[in-house]
Amino acid sequence: RKEVEQDPGPFNVPEGATVAFNCTYSNSASQSFFWYRQDCRKEPKLLMSVYSSGNEDGRFTAQLNRASQYISLLIRDSKLSDSATYLCVVNMEADYKLSFGAGTTVTVRA
Amino acid sequence: EPEVTQTPSHQVTQMGQEVILRCVPISNHLYFYWYRQILGQKVEFLVSFYNNEISEKSEIFDDQFSVERPDGSNFTLKIRSTKLEDSAMYFCASSEALAGGHEQFFGPGTRLTVL
Repeated sequence: RKEVEQDPGPFNVPEGATVAFNCTYSNSASQSFFWYRQDCRKEPKLLMSVYSSGNEDGRFTAQLNRASQYISLLIRDSKLSDSATYLCVVNMEADYKLSFGAGTTVTVRA
Repeated sequence: EPEVTQTPSHQVTQMGQEVILRCVPISNHLYFYWYRQILGQKVEFLVSFYNNEISEKSEIFDDQFSVERPDGSNFTLKIRSTKLEDSAMYFCASSEALAGGHEQFFGPGTRLTVL
């Protein structure tokens, strides 16, 4: 079973729409969770950390469900600039590496 | 804003040749990493480096790979004898502290093409 699994999409949505997608992780010892964003042929950039109680950053809302071992990301009022691949990333406590999912591609159309 | 830099942006080499990929991490960061991403695939961890030694490495990081911090600013990844399957984007990253809860900042990457 893959460490981190994501629906690859693509999610093709109009501007202003809401889009949401999930990620599941296999290791119950995972402690830290992140969503990174990656534009085509560019480096991953941190979008937001994901906290147990769920958290919001502007139009982005992340949720964590430890019991079911999944993380979600919701984007409200989508902008053209939100078009990217969203990477689900997990890390185990005192572990050095980040484990990446393969990414969910979102395309926002005018 | 401080950033991780990498050189070269694109390296083309012949199979069997040695390559050195260079990175300058953010100056006050203590933890350094190399990741790779084969085209169309996920980002994969290669190695982490702290206090002048390897702290963790993946199965990918075999004897053909080595890392070094030759001075106070550079962090290098050497591939001794490149194979076709080493063709990928190689990202350097650095963090202020251990990964959990601390952002790893990624450089723009070096695209390695092995012919």
